[in-house]
Amino acid sequence: DAGVTQSPTHLIKTRGQQVTLRCSPISGHKSVSWYQQVLGQGPQFIFQYYEKEERGRGNFPDRFSARQFPNYSSELNVNALLLGDSALYLCASSSIGTGGTEAFFGQGTRLTVV
Amino acid sequence: RKEVEQDPGPFNVPEGATVAFNCTYSNSASQSFFWYRQDCRKEPKLLMSVYSSGNEDGRFTAQLNRASQYISLLIRDSKLSDSATYLCVVNAGGNKLVFGAGTILRVKS
Repeated sequence: DAGVTQSPTHLIKTRGQQVTLRCSPISGHKSVSWYQQVLGQGPQFIFQYYEKEERGRGNFPDRFSARQFPNYSSELNVNALLLGDSALYLCASSSIGTGGTEAFFGQGTRLTVV
Repeated sequence: RKEVEQDPGPFNVPEGATVAFNCTYSNSASQSFFWYRQDCRKEPKLLMSVYSSGNEDGRFTAQLNRASQYISLLIRDSKLSDSATYLCVVNAGGNKLVFGAGTILRVKS
């Protein structure tokens, strides 16, 4: 069975540009969460979607947005990129939306802003 | 104060050693607790959930003290392959996992 898949795996963008990251959850999982991990830190929660609705939002600026599609895949968009947005962006899927069950992570998208 | 705090290490231990990691969390309403393992430049993977009664999985033992808001992970008979970053994770409700910064373990032969 395929795990959580994210694309692209690596990305280089210039300050001010916009980026879209994609995630496909494990088949049958309806919950997708996004996390940002900067070097030397643990992942930080950005968004959670369950059944196509936003169920949680972390402390990130409005430049960050996301959505979930009918097939439960998800996109994370970041506008007006800053150097500080350089990080590993992780997508996690789980079978229910409460957060109490195991979250399976994709391999991440490594974003570099120059 | 960070929501989840861990000693960053690194812990450098010889093969066969026993090592313990500690973690504290600030939100007393936290509901679920986990230890994740993250290898260099890879995604985090669940190592084990942590229950109030304590739980063991082979060489790994996790403990939770809700009164002290403290979580621990004990690794016995360390292997080279245990070298990784260990992330303490708390679910405080609202579908949000809160990660500590991680503790680096290096097991040497």
